[in-house]
Amino acid sequence: GQQLNQSPQSMFIQEGEDVSMNCTSSSIFNTWLWYKQDPGEGPVLLIALYKAGELTSNGRLTAQFGITRKDSFLNISASIPSDVGIYFCAGLNYGGSQGNLIFGKGTKLSVKP
Amino acid sequence: NAGVTQTPKFRVLKTGQSMTLLCAQDMNHEYMYWYRQDPGMGLRLIHYSVGEGTTAKGEVPDGYNVSRLKKQNFLLGLESAAPSQTSVYFCASSSRQGAIYGYTFGSGTRLTVV
Repeated sequence: GQQLNQSPQSMFIQEGEDVSMNCTSSSIFNTWLWYKQDPGEGPVLLIALYKAGELTSNGRLTAQFGITRKDSFLNISASIPSDVGIYFCAGLNYGGSQGNLIFGKGTKLSVKP
Repeated sequence: NAGVTQTPKFRVLKTGQSMTLLCAQDMNHEYMYWYRQDPGMGLRLIHYSVGEGTTAKGEVPDGYNVSRLKKQNFLLGLESAAPSQTSVYFCASSSRQGAIYGYTFGSGTRLTVV
């Protein structure tokens, strides 16, 4: 079946640093979504992308829909402590019928000790 | 503005016991989903429903059953719990227009099977 490869699996951040993560697939997707999961909570939608090449921002977060439609990137600028959590990418390939979201395994952001 | 509500939030079961997890949504969504989340495994789809009275298997359906008798509720059942079913379970829902607008998730049920 379709799979998403999300990297890195985990990373440590120091306040003020910029953070980058990405998601790749061997399949084409029509929609890319990025979610954040805070500890003890369910994932919450951050950004949705619908067009190849699209660049969308939400505050300090910027996400891009790759030109090949097989990848997506999420950048966080000037990270703050509340950015810690797990970030999931999700892709959707739909034709004439409802498809299900495919989720990456997540990137866990932690604070540098 | 409840969104998706899951009950219970925590549960400890003994091996072989049964239980039902309840998911309720108040957004009039057509589609509902059950996921499990395990460390390093991401979110794996157990079962889903595209409407009242319909259910379908996801990626990891074995050991679980579901029912969607009412549009707003989606029940996940474990008939005979096993330690391998220790996990955090998430319910989600989406509109008929589909997942292009993303799923809305509940806050999860943490289940431990001993």
